Amino acid sequence: DAMVIQNPRYQVTQFGKPVTLSCSQTLNHNVMYWYQQKSSQAPKLLFHYYDKDFNNEADTPDNFQSRRPNTSFCFLDIRSPGLGDAAMYLCATSNVEGGDHNEQFFGPGTRLTVL
Amino acid sequence: GQNIDQPTEMTATEGAIVQINCTYQTSGFNGLFWYQQHAGEAPTFLSYNVLDGLEEKGRFSSFLSRSKGYSYLLLKELQMKDSASYLCAVLDSNYQLIWGAGTKLIIKP
Repeated sequence: DAMVIQNPRYQVTQFGKPVTLSCSQTLNHNVMYWYQQKSSQAPKLLFHYYDKDFNNEADTPDNFQSRRPNTSFCFLDIRSPGLGDAAMYLCATSNVEGGDHNEQFFGPGTRLTVL
Repeated sequence: GQNIDQPTEMTATEGAIVQINCTYQTSGFNGLFWYQQHAGEAPTFLSYNVLDGLEEKGRFSSFLSRSKGYSYLLLKELQMKDSASYLCAVLDSNYQLIWGAGTKLIIKP
């Protein structure tokens, strides 16, 4: 089945220790998103790629970086995680063609714990 | 600023009907989505409305009034598995999804 895959599902890191979360998709969608979601809050968009074009949200901390080496994969790098970065990180994809905007398909998420 | 409002929590009885409201103020409008999110899981797509009116999909229906900046999600014949958070999200003029904080729906037997 076509899907959005996130690894790992649970990640524990130490304060200040770099961590990378990965996302892959078999949907061949041209847009990939990274969201941060804390308990009982709305998902917060960190950035997205439209094909290879990177779009950073104005309030995304510099601590968060992203890479999209090809259509299928997208990575979220947290250079120096702080306690406040503990959250669920959601990867989503959508296919944007000719002005049509379909729904976003989400991966299962990676729950990050910072010790 | 951009704002999506929905109730924080609602309680309903198994087998009953519940309506979850969403009001929005966004810079532009390119459609409204409803997602379901179970605790600890990712959101899953339920419905998309871009024109005024009611969209029905099985036990779930979604309504949109663009002039009022208003939508609702109607859930019929409630089942225990419908206990989840329901998120309203609007696609703005930049085609970015603006999310509500979600409505936690508690189903009681």
